[in-house]
Amino acid sequence: LAKTTQPISMDSYEGQEVNITCSHNNIATNDYITWYQQFPSQGPRFIIQGYKTKVTNEVASLFIPADRKSSTLSLPRVSLSDTAVYYCLAIILTGGGNKLTFGTGTQLKVEL
Amino acid sequence: SQTIHQWPATLVQPVGSPLSLECTVEGTSNPNLYWYRQAAGRGLQLLFYSVGIGQISSEVPQNLSASRPQDRQFILSSKKLLLSDSGFYLCAWSGSSYEQYFGPGTRLTVT
Repeated sequence: LAKTTQPISMDSYEGQEVNITCSHNNIATNDYITWYQQFPSQGPRFIIQGYKTKVTNEVASLFIPADRKSSTLSLPRVSLSDTAVYYCLAIILTGGGNKLTFGTGTQLKVEL
Repeated sequence: SQTIHQWPATLVQPVGSPLSLECTVEGTSNPNLYWYRQAAGRGLQLLFYSVGIGQISSEVPQNLSASRPQDRQFILSSKKLLLSDSGFYLCAWSGSSYEQYFGPGTRLTVT
């Protein structure tokens, strides 16, 4: 079963790009990596999902290198409202039922 | 559009009392459903997931159980709560794309 680890915390300033890395092992070619954002006392909110190379949407990018031992969530030009905890999730596809492993979470603090 | 509801929002229960948390999803059919627990300041722990009515997979052995009596209804139960059952309980659903969408959560305090 994949084990996912993330930095405990990161600090940034408004307008900067933030990259949060999730380390994982045993990720097969078609297994997915998903990232979520969570504010206090709220349910996590889906940000982005991918299984290879690079995915970009209107709020973030996800990079998965060829060795698939890590993935990076990139948030361009963060603002104060991006202060939150960010979780990666590895979805291991198996015939007997998918296995889900959430990372430990990264507290991002954005300052002026 | 799809929405997910959880209730109650907060709950305070004594040790040894029963528990029933309900989750319902609107606007989709045959969703995968999940129950997670989050201890204070900690990450997400998957408790149960379901791919269909009556189909429940347990990820962590404990005194909790789950049921799915209808396609879009997921219930988390306990016969006797423990202090360690306190936490933030989250229900989520996903479709074929594996993206999970979470409900607002239930804050459970066992006293």
